[in-house]
Amino acid sequence: AQSVTQPDIHITVSEGASLELRCNYSYGATPYLFWYVQSPGQGLQLLLKYFSGDTLVQGIKGFEAEFKRSQSSFNLRKPSVHWSDAAEYFCAVAPGGGSYIPTFGRGTSLIVHP
Amino acid sequence: EAGVAQSPRYKIIEKRQSVAFWCNPISGHATLYWYQQILGQGPKLLIQFQNNGVVDDSQLPKDRFSAERLKGVDSTLKIQPAKLEDSAVYLCASSLQGPLHFGNGTRLTVT
Repeated sequence: AQSVTQPDIHITVSEGASLELRCNYSYGATPYLFWYVQSPGQGLQLLLKYFSGDTLVQGIKGFEAEFKRSQSSFNLRKPSVHWSDAAEYFCAVAPGGGSYIPTFGRGTSLIVHP
Repeated sequence: EAGVAQSPRYKIIEKRQSVAFWCNPISGHATLYWYQQILGQGPKLLIQFQNNGVVDDSQLPKDRFSAERLKGVDSTLKIQPAKLEDSAVYLCASSLQGPLHFGNGTRLTVT
């Protein structure tokens, strides 16, 4: 069974600083990988996804993520954080091969200081 | 397109009471999912429907939880009787052939 590890429970950054949220997964094959964002009281919004091909994927709101097979990682990055990026971020893995049902990590809470 | 609709947004009940949540998926999405998100954790899949049939309910506590999708569109999730540990956000999601689209969830508090 697949699993996802997000080692950081909380991350605090200053507005305008760069951001990297870590995600490691455990799965035998090459899975589908996702990052979702959840603002307070809201559902999950898909930021970006990786199915195959180029290992650097671009998403909405200026986010990008890089798939590194050798490290089983799919870290999320943003060059300059805005106060509105404060939210909970979830990395997720799906089996692939046409199955998109995600297994989620525990989430990383992003705090942005002015 | 309209998103996944869920109601109610919030519900407070006492333990041993029953509660029901409703979900209307995105039009045309054949697959519907219910997730449970306990505070401080990622969402956990409870049940998956394909049209009006259950595909996977292995993580659904069937002694107290039930779900149905009778006409292959709307779905209801019921808890009877509720326990304190059922306090969570219940998320509904739907998909066609691709990533899941989530609703805003129902926050349940059991006192």
